[in-house]
Amino acid sequence: DGGITQSPKYLFRKEGQNVTLSCEQNLNHDAMYWYRQDPGQGLRLIYYSQIVNDFQKGDIAEGYSVSREKKESFPLTVTSAQKNPTAFYLCASREGPFSGANVLTFGAGSRLTVL
Amino acid sequence: AQTVTQSQPEMSVQEAETVTLSCTYDTSESNYYLFWYKQPPSRQMILVIRQEAYKQQNATENRFSVNFQKAAKSFSLKISDSQLGDTAMYFCAFMKHEAGGGADGLTFGKGTHLIIQP
Repeated sequence: DGGITQSPKYLFRKEGQNVTLSCEQNLNHDAMYWYRQDPGQGLRLIYYSQIVNDFQKGDIAEGYSVSREKKESFPLTVTSAQKNPTAFYLCASREGPFSGANVLTFGAGSRLTVL
Repeated sequence: AQTVTQSQPEMSVQEAETVTLSCTYDTSESNYYLFWYKQPPSRQMILVIRQEAYKQQNATENRFSVNFQKAAKSFSLKISDSQLGDTAMYFCAFMKHEAGGGADGLTFGKGTHLIIQP
């Protein structure tokens, strides 16, 4: 079955450590997205990528970094510069910015807790 | 930039009742898409229904329907014959049309926690 796989499901980090969240999709989608979810805040866009080797900052990119070396993969690194990294992180993908498809498909999410 | 507002943080209804969740948005775009997503306790985001702004007819998916008022920038979700499995967070979301930069994804409201009581 096609879909988006996020790993790990739960991750604990000590302050000052960088961590990387994995997002892999086998939907052959061009565009991929990272969202952060906090209680009472809805989902906020961190980074997005429309095509391999290209990505754009979203609304809350500070303290995060991404790469898009392969179409299937869009890992998110939470750096030590992120002041409040404890949150639920959701990865999503979309068929293509100009394909006419306008629905985002989401992964199951990763819960990051800073100790 | 666009904003999405959901004014009801939490709602509770009895099973089999009809419930309406409110959503308003602000945008200068003329062509766009609107969505309702459901997030059950599993936290998996599930698409409930979508509406193209250029379509006047309100979208319907089984027990779910929307009331889209473009001039008022309102997009409410009606759930008929509510079921226990409808208990979830519901998010209203906006996407610009591709020609207007839709590649940057969805803008979400803060959500409404809907509880269906047995």
